[in-house]
Amino acid sequence: GENVEQHPSTLSVQEGDSAVIKCTYSDSASNYFPWYKQELGKGPQLIIDIRSNVGEKKDQRIAVTLNKTAKHFSLHITETQPEDSAVYFCAASRRAGNMLTFGGGTRLMVKP
Amino acid sequence: NAGVTQTPKFQVLKTGQSMTLQCAQDMNHEYMSWYRQDPGMGLRLIHYSVGAGITDQGEVPNGYNVSRSTTEDFPLRLLSAAPSQTSVYFCASRILGGHNEQYFGPGTRLTVT
Repeated sequence: GENVEQHPSTLSVQEGDSAVIKCTYSDSASNYFPWYKQELGKGPQLIIDIRSNVGEKKDQRIAVTLNKTAKHFSLHITETQPEDSAVYFCAASRRAGNMLTFGGGTRLMVKP
Repeated sequence: NAGVTQTPKFQVLKTGQSMTLQCAQDMNHEYMSWYRQDPGMGLRLIHYSVGAGITDQGEVPNGYNVSRSTTEDFPLRLLSAAPSQTSVYFCASRILGGHNEQYFGPGTRLTVT
């Protein structure tokens, strides 16, 4: 089955700096890679996703890049703000598959 | 829309007790699923359903049962709770087919002593 590794497990940055979270996956058939943000006491919420037919996707201050050859993808947050503090999860899924496999999560702390 | 709702929010069980975690969604989503979240391990899929009357096992199904009698509801049953089932449980739903956003409930924190 699929295995998703996520690094780092914790990340502390100063407000205004950039943050990068990296994930690797094992199943070359995976073609959908979403990122979820989980705030304290809440369920995860989708913030951005990318499909394997593109290499990069941006949405305001967040971007995701995908390297299919190396089987890794990354989340980039620029100009971080205190409200970006949360746990972020990457995930991977096969074509038309019903199961998402999640990474272990990254706790991001943005210091004012 | 209320989205995905879960009850209870917190629960403490003794080893061997049984209970049902409730999950409901009002978005008419065919696909529903249950995950457990443990520190450092992300979310792991327990069971999922692609429609009423259809369920299947995920990555960690042992010790859990599910049923799907209606589109809206997808309860998770623990028949004989064990300390290893101490976790936070999330229910999620989405439109079936392709890759569509999953909507998660607020979670149930379960402690088994």
